[in-house]
Amino acid sequence: GDSVTQMEGPVTLSEEAFLTINCTYTATGYPSLFWYVQYPGEGLQLLLKATKADDKGSNKGFEATYRKETTSFHLEKGSVQVSDSAVYFCALSDQGGSEKLVFGKGTKLTVNP
Amino acid sequence: ETGVTQSPTHLIKTRGQQVTLRCSSQSGHNTVSWYQQALGQGPQFIFQYYREEENGRGNFPPRFSGLQFPNYSSELNVNALELDDSALYLCASSISGNWNEQFFGPGTRLTVL
Repeated sequence: GDSVTQMEGPVTLSEEAFLTINCTYTATGYPSLFWYVQYPGEGLQLLLKATKADDKGSNKGFEATYRKETTSFHLEKGSVQVSDSAVYFCALSDQGGSEKLVFGKGTKLTVNP
Repeated sequence: ETGVTQSPTHLIKTRGQQVTLRCSSQSGHNTVSWYQQALGQGPQFIFQYYREEENGRGNFPPRFSGLQFPNYSSELNVNALELDDSALYLCASSISGNWNEQFFGPGTRLTVL
């Protein structure tokens, strides 16, 4: 079945450092790809998405490009802030009728001042 | 416009008991999906409801069941609780056909003792 693999965490960075969180996927067909963020004690928030190959999703300084040839959707941010500390989940949509989301295990990011 | 709400926030049950979790979808959304998020893991798809009927199910046993009501709100019922059912249960609502916009509630934290 479809699956998502994220880089293992936790990731600890200093403020203003560059962030990359790797995500690769396995899927039949042409899934849409997402990054969700979960702040402590909260539910999931959609951070960005891309619906077809070579699309770039972006939001709040975060970016990710849908790379079909490498089946990847890596999350990047040029300069992280303390407020970016959270758990980040890569996900794909399974378009098998129910359009469920398949998530990776999550990567915890801590940004220190 | 109100977002997705879930109740209760926290719940403690003992093995063998039954539990009902509730979700109110975002205004205008007609599809509700339920996910189980174990500690340190990504959310796992339980099932989805559309037009008051189950529209896709993940790899969960029949003791996980659900309902959707005419106002699109939903319930998740779990019978014969097991220790491994301890998790954060997330509800997400969307508009059928607009599968790349799922909005998550804050979740219900279930602890089974």
